[in-house]
Amino acid sequence: EDKVVQSPLSLVVHEGDTVTLNCSYEVTNFRSLLWYKQEKKAPTFLFMLTSSGIEKKSGRLSSILDKKELFSILNITATQTGDSAVYLCAGYFSGYALNFGKGTSLLVTP
Amino acid sequence: KAGVTQTPRYLIKTRGQQVTLSCSPISGHRSVSWYQQTPGQGLQFLFEYFSETQRNKGNFPGRFSGRQFSNSRSEMNVSTLELGDSALYLCASSLVGVPYEQYFGPGTRLTVT
Repeated sequence: EDKVVQSPLSLVVHEGDTVTLNCSYEVTNFRSLLWYKQEKKAPTFLFMLTSSGIEKKSGRLSSILDKKELFSILNITATQTGDSAVYLCAGYFSGYALNFGKGTSLLVTP
Repeated sequence: KAGVTQTPRYLIKTRGQQVTLSCSPISGHRSVSWYQQTPGQGLQFLFEYFSETQRNKGNFPGRFSGRQFSNSRSEMNVSTLELGDSALYLCASSLVGVPYEQYFGPGTRLTVT
């Protein structure tokens, strides 16, 4: 059965710190991996990764995929309190469904 | 461009009743997916529609059903509500033919009492 595992489940950092969120997956047929940010509302799309080793960047956020080792990381540099959210990793493996991990809850303290 | 819209935003129902939730995708998006989000199980896939056809269904009982109309709007229905159906129901839309970026609506918060 396809599976997405995120770690850590929760994280508390101080403003200005750099954080790395992890997502590993076990799949039979990988197609793409997506990252979302969820505050107290709907998930907001961050990145989609399909190719190994190519970094996607948006401001202070970046993500990279390793298809050989079956994992992805999401980096956030110079964290701000507005980065506090649940970060979700999801994969398109087979069919038309996104398979989500449980998420990493990030709290950035002033 | 307007985002995905869902109605109603909040709903309170009694066990045994049925409910219909509505989703309007982003203009031009023809694929609509539904997800259930609960604190214990996280985000779980319900079903996906394209061109009024259900292409994929998640592991949910037959009480959960959906449909898509010719304008790509979608509805999902839950019959014989149970307490465990209390959740945030999220709809997401995507273009077809590009690699699967799904954009989510604000969700409908369903509470079953």
